[in-house]
Amino acid sequence: GQQVMQIPQYQHVQEGEDFTTYCNSSTTLSNIQWYKQRPGGHPVFLIQLVKSGEVKKQKRLTFQFGEAKKNSSLHITATQTTDVGTYFCAGTRFQKLVFGTGTRLLVSP
Amino acid sequence: NAGVTQTPKFQVLKTGQSMTLQCAQDMNHNSMYWYRQDPGMGLRLIYYSASEGTTDKGEVPNGYNVSRLNKREFSLRLESAAPSQTSVYFCASSDWDPDIQYFGAGTRLSVL
Repeated sequence: GQQVMQIPQYQHVQEGEDFTTYCNSSTTLSNIQWYKQRPGGHPVFLIQLVKSGEVKKQKRLTFQFGEAKKNSSLHITATQTTDVGTYFCAGTRFQKLVFGTGTRLLVSP
Repeated sequence: NAGVTQTPKFQVLKTGQSMTLQCAQDMNHNSMYWYRQDPGMGLRLIYYSASEGTTDKGEVPNGYNVSRLNKREFSLRLESAAPSQTSVYFCASSDWDPDIQYFGAGTRLSVL
């Protein structure tokens, strides 16, 4: 079964509000990747974090990798309607990439 | 440069029918993967091929077979389709296993 859990499963925000999704693993990960899937589309790679405590930014998106390398978060500041989609984390454990369950984001104008 | 190409895009089968989903990548990647995506279940790995000439089972291999035809192509076969195999199927490739994965557009399969 899934060994990488994401919360929340679903979130609906008003445009301009912030959004955060969390990714948790029971075991240490070598690295964490984040993907975005637009409605009706396919997952597209966003970023990879490798170091403990690493923080990376892409415009309004901030990605963090936990100190223990067991959790990660994606924060979107001031959401826009173009942010709609499902966000997946994927962690590498024991040389295998395991996808999280995903967080579906809906943004109302 | 098309990336990862999947065919067909849509398919409707009757229970018991067989079919093969095709996947080809033009990025000279070594590793290829087949996932299924069901509502609320995320992406579940069916089979993967870490390198040309090798294939391995993933999380949900029952009812499927795969063939790594060459470095570019990785096909997924349903020998006797069941309604439980109604899903969206994604093929992906990466330079090595594990690495950043690049996905195809998906095949939407309905089994009646």
